[in-house]
Amino acid sequence: DAGVIQSPRHEVTEMGQEVTLRCKPISGHDYLFWYRQTMMRGLELLIYFNNNVPIDDSGMPEDRFSAKMPNASFSTLKIQPSEPRDSAVYFCASSPDVGGYTFGSGTRLTVV
Amino acid sequence: GQQLNQSPQSMFIQEGEDVSMNCTSSSIFNTWLWYKQEPGEGPVLLIALYKAGELTSNGRLTAQFGITRKDSFLNISASIPSDVGIYFCAGRSISGGSNYKLTFGKGTLLTVNP
Repeated sequence: DAGVIQSPRHEVTEMGQEVTLRCKPISGHDYLFWYRQTMMRGLELLIYFNNNVPIDDSGMPEDRFSAKMPNASFSTLKIQPSEPRDSAVYFCASSPDVGGYTFGSGTRLTVV
Repeated sequence: GQQLNQSPQSMFIQEGEDVSMNCTSSSIFNTWLWYKQEPGEGPVLLIALYKAGELTSNGRLTAQFGITRKDSFLNISASIPSDVGIYFCAGRSISGGSNYKLTFGKGTLLTVNP
C-alpha cells in the first residue's frame, strides 16, 4: 500500500497565481480530508468528502479556495488567486470509517 | 467551536527519561487519537482510544481515555533519540452533525538529548 500520495511536495508561486494541490487517497477509503498546518493555527480542517461528495466545507477560508473529488482515487485543492497568507503545509488524509486518518506527506506552499 | 488544550507545548528531556503529555477538551469526546509528526512528513497515528477509561499500549507508549471523556494522556517510557517529533492529540466529539471530523491539539514538541 503506497499510502496517501500528495503532489507536489513543494510549491513556490507568486501572489495572484493559481495553485492546484493534488491527492490520491488510499484505495477503499471512503473519507478524504484536506487540512492546513501553520505554526500559528496548528492543523485546521478545510473540507472533507464522503464517497466523493463534499460533506463539510465550513473550514474553507474564503471563496478563493475550492476542492473537488471527481472520483474515488483523486482530489484537488485549488487556490485562486493565491496570497502570501496562504503559505502553509497542506495535508490530505483518508480514512475508511470513524477510526484514525492516514495522512499524506503534505505539500509545502510558499506564496511570494 | 470545540477546543483542545494540549500541554506541555514543548519538552526537552534526557534519553532514558519518561515523558507525559495530556489533552483536555471543552466537549465530551467519543474518540481520542494520538499522532506523531516528524519533520517533512504528515502525522502518523500512534494509538486510538474509543472507550472512557480505556488504557492502551503500543510498545513504550501508553495512552488513556479519561473517565470524564474530556481528557486523554500519552506516556512514553524510557525515551530514545528517535522519539523526537511533535505529538498531537486529536478527538472526535459526540455532538454535532459532522461525526467524522477530528479536532487536533496544537502539539507537544519533544526533544530528546542523547
